[in-house]
Amino acid sequence: QSALTQPPSASGSPGQSVTISCTGTSSDVGGYNYVSWHQQHPGKAPKLMIYEVSKRPSGVPDRFSGSKSGNTASLTVSGLQAEDEADYYCSSYAGSNTLVFGGGTKLTVL
Amino acid sequence: EVQLVQSGAEVRKPGESLRISCKGSGYAFTSYWISWVRQKPGKGLEWMGRIDPSDSYTKNSPSFQGHVTISADKSISTAYLQWSSLKASDTAMYYCAVDTSMAQRDWGQGTLVTVSS
Repeated sequence: QSALTQPPSASGSPGQSVTISCTGTSSDVGGYNYVSWHQQHPGKAPKLMIYEVSKRPSGVPDRFSGSKSGNTASLTVSGLQAEDEADYYCSSYAGSNTLVFGGGTKLTVL
Repeated sequence: EVQLVQSGAEVRKPGESLRISCKGSGYAFTSYWISWVRQKPGKGLEWMGRIDPSDSYTKNSPSFQGHVTISADKSISTAYLQWSSLKASDTAMYYCAVDTSMAQRDWGQGTLVTVSS
């Protein structure tokens, strides 16, 4: 059970869009529609932003969207705002009641 | 409002035992699995395992199997993470979270565990 692969960093200017990828295998990301994304600000607990690939919990702005193609899931943040600067982690169901996280991506708003 | 309140920071020596807790409120505790997640200083999130509080069935990540024990007491809506012999490498922040649709929907505030001689 290996960690999902995310780029270490991503960046964009205010108002722009940025997409973060999350690559797994057919045993996790590609095999199930149970990919989620979490936002974590420094010193804070993570916060769920997307679940089941593309669903947003109540209260999460629609600037955040998720998708999946094959073994790669993506999180897109549109209309970047300063408060979006944070670490983002993907996670996926990996079968047999197990889960796996990605290594995390540090999003910088320039 | 769903709340998960974790026990306070702990400092232990290598080889000592420890149990940290996670108390749920504001929802039906036995209706949702609880996951435990480790975050070492400056590092990413690692899924450790999860428990179904209704029957205490647990599933651990292979990476943590045999080193930690996850348990729950549904009578007091509390989940636990336990070590019998801590190592310095266990120094980390530990989070509990309520699982919904295989995603960690609500998170506790975290418990910092420091293991040092």
